[in-house]
Amino acid sequence: QKEVEQNSGPLSVPEGAIASLNCTYSDRGSQSFFWYRQYSGKSPELIMSIYSNGDKEDGRFTAQLNKASQYVSLLIRDSQPSDSATYLCAVNAYGGATNKLIFGTGTLLAVQP
Amino acid sequence: AAGVIQSPRHLIKEKRETATLKCYPIPRHDTVYWYQQGPGQDPQFLISFYEKMQSDKGSIPDRFSAQQFSDYHSELNMSSLELGDSALYFCASRQRGGSTDTQYFGPGTRLTVL
Repeated sequence: QKEVEQNSGPLSVPEGAIASLNCTYSDRGSQSFFWYRQYSGKSPELIMSIYSNGDKEDGRFTAQLNKASQYVSLLIRDSQPSDSATYLCAVNAYGGATNKLIFGTGTLLAVQP
Repeated sequence: AAGVIQSPRHLIKEKRETATLKCYPIPRHDTVYWYQQGPGQDPQFLISFYEKMQSDKGSIPDRFSAQQFSDYHSELNMSSLELGDSALYFCASRQRGGSTDTQYFGPGTRLTVL
């Protein structure tokens, strides 16, 4: 079992709809959670970070964290075709001195115009 | 704002050759991470450095080595290249002790081993 699990998709939503991306993690001691967006062949781009239980909103994006359930999600409102990409959930693995990121396999989002 | 710089952006090598990838972190960032992303895979952590010292090691083959220099740039040295080493190699940087522990990724080096 991977330490960070995501549905690989593709998740297809129509333009203007809400896209919901989910992620679970196995290390109960994890403290930092990130959503990165990655276009094909490009580098991961930070969308959101979240550290506390509850919701965090930034523009059209809302991250939700539930540490008891070891679950983190990303909602994208008013989805646009330009949002079509792979969304990587990442968890900060506390070990060693520098906190490496453990990634899920990513969810491919396709926003249909 | 300044970003992480990686060079070269593309590299083609033959099997058993060596390759050196370079990473220049965001100014004032003292921590560098290297990740490898194979086709259709998620990024896998290779190695990290803080203040020029190796601080964590992941799934990095013994054929690979890396270091961080006094100006905080880092180099990933890869020897006896194999076909399976073909991947995107990302460097990320972070300012330890900053307000967040966010890692910022460079554009990556695409290594192709023929």
